[in-house]
Amino acid sequence: DARVTQTPRHKVTEMGQEVTMRCQPILGHNTVFWYRQTMMQGLELLAYFRNRAPLDDSGMPKDRFSAEMPDATLATLKIQPSEPRDSAVYFCASGRATDTQYFGPGTRLTVL
Amino acid sequence: GNSVTQMEGPVTLSEEAFLTINCTYTATGYPSLFWYVQYPGEGLQLLLKATKADDKGSNKGFEATYRKETTSFHLEKGSVQVSDSAVYFCAPTGADKLIFGTGTRLQVFP
Repeated sequence: DARVTQTPRHKVTEMGQEVTMRCQPILGHNTVFWYRQTMMQGLELLAYFRNRAPLDDSGMPKDRFSAEMPDATLATLKIQPSEPRDSAVYFCASGRATDTQYFGPGTRLTVL
Repeated sequence: GNSVTQMEGPVTLSEEAFLTINCTYTATGYPSLFWYVQYPGEGLQLLLKATKADDKGSNKGFEATYRKETTSFHLEKGSVQVSDSAVYFCAPTGADKLIFGTGTRLQVFP
């Protein structure tokens, strides 16, 4: 039963620190999405990749967030420097083009 | 661009009650339509989908029919259980991605 995996599952850090979240998409999926979920804003699309190339990162704060896919088995989302308002659950999802997206369990980030 | 509107929650029901969660969308072309469910502490998971007009998606007793004429994809279940308590998201496709609604929280009491 193939699944999207995300690490870490929980992260507590102090304001100003760098945070890196990792995602392993399902093998064979060519599209990877990063979402952020908060009570206030709901589910927001931050960025997505197809065949490892970024298609759209307009949902991401450019000054502090960056997303990459160093290879087909790894996607990363970095925040530097982190701020308390970045506290949220970050989800990675993978799929084939516009077909079903499969979500990971999320990384719960708390920035103090 | 494509957009979606779903009914505000929370929806509070007693066990075995009938459920409807409304979802309407605006789209250019003919999007595929999805319902996702999110249980507490978990990621979203696909509940059902429909890819063309008049298709009915179904899973775990839930159903939704792709209505092109009314641009709707309402979620229904004939008899809800406490274990159905979750947040439900409607999502049409649009420009290489899914357009998620705000989510509707369902609370089912015994």
